[in-house]
Amino acid sequence: GAVVSQHPSWVICKSGTSVKIECRSLDFQATTMFWYRQFPKQSLMLMATSNEGSKATYEQGVEKDKFLINHASLTLSTLTVTSAHPEDSSFYICSARDPLWTGGSYEQYFGPGTRLTVT
Amino acid sequence: DAKTTQPPSMDCAEGRAANLPCNHSTISGNEYVYWYRQIHSQGPQYIIHGLKNNETNEMASLIITEDRKSSTLILPHATLRDTAVYYCIVRAYSGTYKYIFGTGTRLKVLA
Repeated sequence: GAVVSQHPSWVICKSGTSVKIECRSLDFQATTMFWYRQFPKQSLMLMATSNEGSKATYEQGVEKDKFLINHASLTLSTLTVTSAHPEDSSFYICSARDPLWTGGSYEQYFGPGTRLTVT
Repeated sequence: DAKTTQPPSMDCAEGRAANLPCNHSTISGNEYVYWYRQIHSQGPQYIIHGLKNNETNEMASLIITEDRKSSTLILPHATLRDTAVYYCIVRAYSGTYKYIFGTGTRLKVLA
């Protein structure tokens, strides 16, 4: 299957600072990427849909000014957590949709996740 | 909201088949059922998907009921490495198709 990478795999930052997480599709071009967050022992929660060349679509309750998403190219989407606070500490996971229609649907591939700890 | 419901946890003996059920009673006619699993602190891993026919690949089999309101993922010979949270997903559409994750089933394979 296709590969999606994330960088960094983990990051520790101080409260009040901003941190950027990158999501790359390595062997396909993804017009649509998704960002999720996951708290310990909970399921993945969809935060936003990132579309190349246009504004991201945020899920209800997700602060768009706090979680800035940029999808400037077909292989890269970034999530910036601005003015991070300890409650933003979480596991952030991206996924990318393969634009090829195979087997009756679009495949979606997930990155390995980025663990953010805000102190 | 997620369109699927799954039991929160299951145990399975190593070497035996693990049967993980999923209810998706509101699925529409052209919606696929996807199964992913997540091993601790990793991103979800694709397992299998299907529409109405039973599907099999090198990892698992997917049995979908005739009315498509439920399905079962079968791991034919579970190993300790299959211990993970298994998610059954039916995509939601709101401008674009999205995966909305439910609570999943935490499968523990016992030695």
